This record gives sequence, C-alpha cells and structure tokens, in this order.
Amino acid sequence: DQQVKQNSPSLSVQEGRISILNCDYTNSMFDYFLWYKKYPAEGPTFLISISSIKDKNEDGRFTVFLNKSAKHLSLHIVPSQPGDSAVYFCAASSGSGNTGKLIFGQGTTLQVKP
Amino acid sequence: GAVVSQHPSRVICKSGTSVKIECRSLDFQATTMFWYRQFPKQSLMLMATSNEGSKATYEQGVEKDKFLINHASLTLSTLTVTSAHPEDSSFYICSAEVGGSGANVLTFGAGSRLTVL
Repeated sequence: DQQVKQNSPSLSVQEGRISILNCDYTNSMFDYFLWYKKYPAEGPTFLISISSIKDKNEDGRFTVFLNKSAKHLSLHIVPSQPGDSAVYFCAASSGSGNTGKLIFGQGTTLQVKP
Repeated sequence: GAVVSQHPSRVICKSGTSVKIECRSLDFQATTMFWYRQFPKQSLMLMATSNEGSKATYEQGVEKDKFLINHASLTLSTLTVTSAHPEDSSFYICSAEVGGSGANVLTFGAGSRLTVL
C-alpha cells in the first residue's frame, strides 16, 4: 500500500519557468511533510518542509503548498534553473514518536532545460 | 552542515557472501540512525531504525537475521547483509536526524550500491 504517491515520474520545464511537483497521500495521521532532492550517486538532501497546521511554506525559490482536505501537497520552484534538475522525493511522517520514519513517494525526475 | 558518510559507495559480491556497509556521522552524534533501501524506480523504503547501545527496530517484512544492524557508538552504525543473494541487490542509504529539532529532517549518506552476482 503506497501511502505517499508521486504520480508523475518525470517533468520537463524550460529554464525560468515554474516547476510544479505533486504529491498525494492517503494516511490522515501524517502531520509533517518534506521534500528531498536527489542527484545521481548521492543521498537525498533536505529541501523544504511543512507542518500539517500550515498550508504554505516558502523558502526562496521553493514553496510547498499543503491541501489537507485533498491530501495533496505540491512543490513549486520558480524560477526554475538547470541546476534544479534532479529527482525530487516527497516524504511524510506521523507523530513525534516516529521521528525519522519517513514514508517516501516514488520520486519525480525534474529536468530543467536551458 | 551535518554530514553522514557511508562506505563503500559500491560493492559487488558473490552470492552467499556477506557484505558490511558503514554509516558514520562525521560532526555530530547520532543515537539513532535509519537504514533505507531503494529499488530501481521505486521509493526509499525504511528497513530499520538503528539505536545506539540497543537492538535495532526492524520494519515489517525485513528479516533481522539477514540484515544485521549494529550501532556500537554514537557515530557509527553498520548494516551487514548476510548470505547475500541477487534479489538483495539494491541501493542502501543510511540517515540520521540532526539537531534534535523533532522536525524529522534527516541527513542522508550518499548511499551504497550493492550488486550480488
């Protein structure tokens, strides 16, 4: 049972435009959501997160939106840069007792074309 | 920033042999580390939680006798894949939570690609 789903395996965007990566989840107990970025042959690196009590969190070019009623979150990157090309993983966790027990989506490969 | 070092990055072994993967926190202490596995084109799956000085906690479906985890110090956790078989070929990644922020932000190692012939 895939509790966190990223239904788009890949996304291609022109440099300077907006990249929107989507993530859906099924477990209503999730209370913290994170996005990680992964380059080939490297481990994932933390990008941005959002608590379930919020609906938006912004950090520079990156903004995460959370729609709890739809169990959906998205990552917006604007403007997109070629260096943003990587695999993006959505992850979720539930409860303070589950620190580190992140449930990951399958990942979306973003390609930003110059 | 916090760094998690993982070694080896790549390992090829024969079926039936055992392989040890090390995970070190370089500039911080980690009482808990997490081992994930990623099959091609799939998500990272949590295998087990490694606890310093005590037994690891394994996720459902993960064989504890096959994937031995030892967390002997605050900076080192090891994963040993015993009697490896081709189906164990995968990308293994360790991680640790930094800062005790409770924010579930993990720092990951670079991963170890295991290929079992």
